Amino acid sequence: EVQLVQSGAEVKKPGESLKISCKGSGYSFTSYWIGWVRQMPGKGLEWMGIIYPGDSDTRYSPSFQGQVTISADKSISTAYLQWSSLKASDTAMYYCARAIAAAGVFDPWGQGTLVTVSS
Amino acid sequence: SSELTQDPAVSVALGQTVRITCQGDSLRSYYASWYQQKPGQAPVLVIYGKNNRPSGIPDRFSGSSSGNTASLTITGAQAEDEADYYCNSRDSSGNLNWVFGGGTKLTVL
Repeated sequence: EVQLVQSGAEVKKPGESLKISCKGSGYSFTSYWIGWVRQMPGKGLEWMGIIYPGDSDTRYSPSFQGQVTISADKSISTAYLQWSSLKASDTAMYYCARAIAAAGVFDPWGQGTLVTVSS
Repeated sequence: SSELTQDPAVSVALGQTVRITCQGDSLRSYYASWYQQKPGQAPVLVIYGKNNRPSGIPDRFSGSSSGNTASLTITGAQAEDEADYYCNSRDSSGNLNWVFGGGTKLTVL
């Protein structure tokens, strides 16, 4: 079974750093892109960026370029999303999803990681 | 353009047919994929490509496309279909970027 398992919920203060993870299993992790998607409370889905773990080729949405860093460690089949200095406006649910670029789809999705940034 | 536009809310009577639409320039070049999201859950892919359903998705879900508009049709809507639905496609910039529609809240009456 193809599965993406994300790290647990986080509560952070503004200005703190954070790295959340997404571990893939049941497929060749280096052969598919992994995307990250933000969902702010009560809002829709926003595509943040994508990484190809095979060679770490990474693309960012213009809206998120410079705001976050996407990385991957193919030796442990894990992708990451990190912030160097969190803001209250980063409070959201973050999903990772396997991307099948040729088909233009995200499937499956991780269960989501809730990030709360509050002083 | 890198935007996909959806109606915020749509309702359908139980057992009837409903169409949810998604408009955007990128849909002239790329197929839309459709995701169902129920409260407190991660999105689930329901339709992709010309009209493909992943394993486990009921055949009452179907997709179509014409010009700059993609549609998700639910034929014989069930109570469990009440959810938010999002369309998604590559954007038309030529880069490996994606864009989501704003989502449609489907209410089954």
